[in-house]
Amino acid sequence: DGGITQSPKYLFRKEGQNVTLSCEQNLNHDAMYWYRQDPGQGLRLIYYSQIVNDFQKGDIAEGYSVSREKKESFPLTVTSAQKNPTAFYLCASSSPRGSNQPQHFGDGTRLSIL
Amino acid sequence: ILNVEQSPQSLHVQEGDSTNFTCSFPSSNFYALHWYRWETAKSPEALFVMTLNGDEKKKGRISATLNTKEGYSYLYIKGSQPEDSATYLCACVTGANNLFFGTGTRLTVIP
Repeated sequence: DGGITQSPKYLFRKEGQNVTLSCEQNLNHDAMYWYRQDPGQGLRLIYYSQIVNDFQKGDIAEGYSVSREKKESFPLTVTSAQKNPTAFYLCASSSPRGSNQPQHFGDGTRLSIL
Repeated sequence: ILNVEQSPQSLHVQEGDSTNFTCSFPSSNFYALHWYRWETAKSPEALFVMTLNGDEKKKGRISATLNTKEGYSYLYIKGSQPEDSATYLCACVTGANNLFFGTGTRLTVIP
């Protein structure tokens, strides 16, 4: 079945450590997105990518980095510069990137601090 | 950053009741309004994408309307069933093509 796979489901980070969240899609979508959810808040955009080898910062990009070397993959690295990384992270894709296209989401990764 | 508000925050209804909730957004620079259903332990699922003032969309017992001039959308569920229990998210798209999400309405349908 086509869809978006995020891994791992749960992730723990130590102080000063970088961690990478995986997002893979087999929907042949051009656009991919990373969102963060905190309690009592709506999903907030971290980074997005419209095409391979291109990505743009969203509203809360500080402390995060991404790459888009393949169409299917859009990994998110939470760096040590992100001082409050504990949150639920959702990856999404759409094709093509545009306001009329719904986004398809993965199941999410919950990141916690050890 | 766009201020998208959803109300109520949570809602309990009896099985068979009909219900509705609201998404409010700034009416300027509007491009589209998305509705998603997010069941516990699953991924958000797209319900509707609406773009034109007066749009009405329907999927089974769920329907939505859009008023872009006054900046609101309503989601209606007719004859609620326990499987409708979920968080319903709306998101507004601006000219920059980014989605700004509300905090959601959590619906619980009591059997």
